[in-house]
Amino acid sequence: GAGVSQSPSNKVTEKGKDVELRCDPISGHTALYWYRQSLGQGLEFLIYFQGNSAPDKSGLPSDRFSAERTGGSVSTLTIQRTQQEDSAVYLCASSLDRSPNYGYTFGSGTRLTVV
Amino acid sequence: RKEVEQDPGPFNVPEGATVAFNCTYSNSASQSFFWYRQDCRKEPKLLMSVYSSGNEDGRFTAQLNRASQYISLLIRDSKLSDSATYLCVVTPRGNQFYFGTGTSLTVIP
Repeated sequence: GAGVSQSPSNKVTEKGKDVELRCDPISGHTALYWYRQSLGQGLEFLIYFQGNSAPDKSGLPSDRFSAERTGGSVSTLTIQRTQQEDSAVYLCASSLDRSPNYGYTFGSGTRLTVV
Repeated sequence: RKEVEQDPGPFNVPEGATVAFNCTYSNSASQSFFWYRQDCRKEPKLLMSVYSSGNEDGRFTAQLNRASQYISLLIRDSKLSDSATYLCVVTPRGNQFYFGTGTSLTVIP
């Protein structure tokens, strides 16, 4: 696609429920990243996928968080048993390859609110 | 120590002013550097890469000082539309980008 597409754009869920967030990267981009941004805060790295390599999960805050990327394209971030502190904007980004020289392109994010 | 540190501001400047932001990084082996712009409730967008020799794009100039481990962004002739949060990004390792918390700029008419 023309850009990084994320869905849903907004999600309100009850505490304790599971949620799935979807990211469709730019076609041909092999690297895909998930970040989250809490209100007024910086971006917090969550997970990174590069091609067929094992993902870098070092940023996942707890075992309630998981992500997968099927077929090297679409990625799903799953949060189980959501807590109020999970409320944030979840941003996905993709880049052409693992070279850092290109920067990357963000989707417009999913705004998650846990009530 | 954080990988990347920025002065959060806010910077409030009049139209036409010149304003500069700095960003320091902790890992001397960092490879690549960028400035992103983030408008309120929007996603960050790449503003410009920062090259070792410095680079300019219109009213924007980015510079890298490896010896002192900081990058800078200079905005000349500020416009109202420049109001945003500016994020510096550093790659200490090849596969992960570290973002600063951002510097808030408001250009005042």
